Amino acid sequence: GESVGLHLPTLSVQEGDNSIINCAYSNSASDYFIWYKQESGKGPQFIIDIRSNMDKRQGQRVTVLLNKTVKHLSLQIAATQPGDSAVYFCAENIMGSNYKLTFGKGTLLTVNP
Amino acid sequence: DADVTQTPRNRITKTGKRIMLECSQTKGHDRMYWYRQDPGLGLRLIYYSFDVKDINKGEISDGYSVSRQAQAKFSLSLESAIPNQTALYFCATSDLGSGTGANVLTFGAGSRLTVL
Repeated sequence: GESVGLHLPTLSVQEGDNSIINCAYSNSASDYFIWYKQESGKGPQFIIDIRSNMDKRQGQRVTVLLNKTVKHLSLQIAATQPGDSAVYFCAENIMGSNYKLTFGKGTLLTVNP
Repeated sequence: DADVTQTPRNRITKTGKRIMLECSQTKGHDRMYWYRQDPGLGLRLIYYSFDVKDINKGEISDGYSVSRQAQAKFSLSLESAIPNQTALYFCATSDLGSGTGANVLTFGAGSRLTVL
């Protein structure tokens, strides 16, 4: 999951397994949460977002869960594939300042064939 | 062609030199941003612009300046580069539309800058 330290958290899974990437956020005023995927040598790409009044949102092979009680966000990837190997970031979109996205440090997902 | 194009993709320069990183977009978005990415520190906002006449400092603007030449172009300058500005720089765009949705950014591929 996410860390405030300088070392990037890592998650290693076998191809075909499900992956769960975690993120802790700090601001109760955040109204949207967004997950990005960054492949090596590329910029971050939008995966999925969830509004703060929701607990769960599903996309294609991905599910985001939001637990506001403990300020925790997770991204679940079903049937993980080698192409899912990347760094995954969560970001908070803070109410009243729509420009401002606060990014987490990221988690490196490695999928082993 | 990419929606958000950054040039150069890689640059090595020396301390004290002036450097400009350029960004152009074909998304038609009003909002443009410059972020810096360092290992272990995530993405940090340097400057952002809501339209051609609007420029705002982000959390780490010291040592940087920007210019919004047109809706589609937003450049980042380092007037006198220093080694701790060695990083990966990303330009991004967004369009909030009605303003009720998430601020989803579209990123460029990044510009890797090394200051010796």
